[in-house]
Amino acid sequence: QLQLVQSGAEVKKPGASVTVSCKVSGSSFTTYYVHWVRQAPGQGLEWMGIISPGSGGSRYAQKVQGRVTMTTDTSTSTVSMELSSLRSEDTALYYCATTSTELYPYFDYWGQGTLVTVS
Amino acid sequence: DIQMTQSPSTLSASVGDRVSITCRASQSISRWLAWYQQKPGKAPKLLIFTASTLQSGVPSRFSGSGSGTEFTLTISSLQPDDFATYYCQQYNSYPCTFGQGTKVEIK
Repeated sequence: QLQLVQSGAEVKKPGASVTVSCKVSGSSFTTYYVHWVRQAPGQGLEWMGIISPGSGGSRYAQKVQGRVTMTTDTSTSTVSMELSSLRSEDTALYYCATTSTELYPYFDYWGQGTLVTVS
Repeated sequence: DIQMTQSPSTLSASVGDRVSITCRASQSISRWLAWYQQKPGKAPKLLIFTASTLQSGVPSRFSGSGSGTEFTLTISSLQPDDFATYYCQQYNSYPCTFGQGTKVEIK
């Protein structure tokens, strides 16, 4: 049973950067793939990208490509997501979620969410 | 990107009702579809994957069907805990995309 614990809420000004972290426990960190999904207030879910803690490889959604960077720290079993050049439309709840495969990813474990407010 | 369209957007129902939510994909996704339940202030919870496989621990009143471009989530007898928003998600190809959600509310 995996547990994903995310960092706390952030308030940022437009143009700034934010880093949200996701600590994974309960199983081998490098066994899973970690995704980031965001949800703007009152809106649906939007996939942002995936990172493999095992290889460090990542891929990002075109919408945030160039502004997002996902990294892993295997010593602390933590994945981080940095989003730069923040805009008001980046205000959202950011979730990390895991999948056991890269090819057919459905999200079985989720973090509690981190609210990022850009204002 | 594959577009996912859910209907209805809102569904009003009573405890004990049988309810169905439809999800349509803009192109064939075989059976690579998942359903999630989300309650206010909480992360989504995986209910069903591969169109019809029930996630461990999910009550059997939930079921999924479909393939290709049309899919259905059915709750056989709505319980008080089931009032929530439901999302479908395709994972046939990246980027993964979600439907806009269906809110199931108390009639």
